[in-house]
Amino acid sequence: EVHLVESGGDLVQPGGSLRLSCAASGFTFSTFSMNWVRLPPGKGLEWVSYISGGSSTIQYADSVKGRFTISRDNAKSSLHLQMNSLRAEDTAVYYCARGVAAAPTNSDYWGQGTLVTVSS
Amino acid sequence: EIVLTQSPATLSLSLGERATLSCRASQSVSSYLAWYQQKPGQAPRLLIYDASSRATGIPARFSGSGSGTDFTLTISSLEPEDFAVYYCQQRSNWPLTFGGGTKVEIK
Repeated sequence: EVHLVESGGDLVQPGGSLRLSCAASGFTFSTFSMNWVRLPPGKGLEWVSYISGGSSTIQYADSVKGRFTISRDNAKSSLHLQMNSLRAEDTAVYYCARGVAAAPTNSDYWGQGTLVTVSS
Repeated sequence: EIVLTQSPATLSLSLGERATLSCRASQSVSSYLAWYQQKPGQAPRLLIYDASSRATGIPARFSGSGSGTDFTLTISSLEPEDFAVYYCQQRSNWPLTFGGGTKVEIK
């Protein structure tokens, strides 16, 4: 059974940093692309970042480009999101999600989410 | 950036009724459009990808259609568990974008 578990969410001050992690199990992690998607309070879903299975393709939303870095460790079946220079508008539940084999930039399995709150 | 506009914002329907949700793209996304369902406190669930392909385990009452700039998600007969927020997402161009969502509520 596919299982994704996010961790690392916390309350952080504006300008601070946070590293999110996603532990994957139940599938061959290295053969699937992964996405980070967030849900700000009271708003809709927002795609954050994408990484292909071998890390050769990485993409970011304009709102996080230059501040966030996505990475993966296929040996440990883990996905990460390093978040720097955090802003109030980054406050959201962050989900890691597995790419669909036939449509890698869509997501068929999702974690339960981890809450990031940026506030002084 | 491709903007996806969903309508209506809220759809009030009764059990057993047919739901028709719309997603319009600011430029052609070919057939690279997906639909997700999200309930409060839960992760999104993929329903449809590539405009009309049902994801694994999705009931046949959910169907998707369209291409280019106009897409439709149809729920043929609403079940109690279908009341939720629905989002469309395009994967034609970077950055990936979601629509603002349609809330399907019980009338």
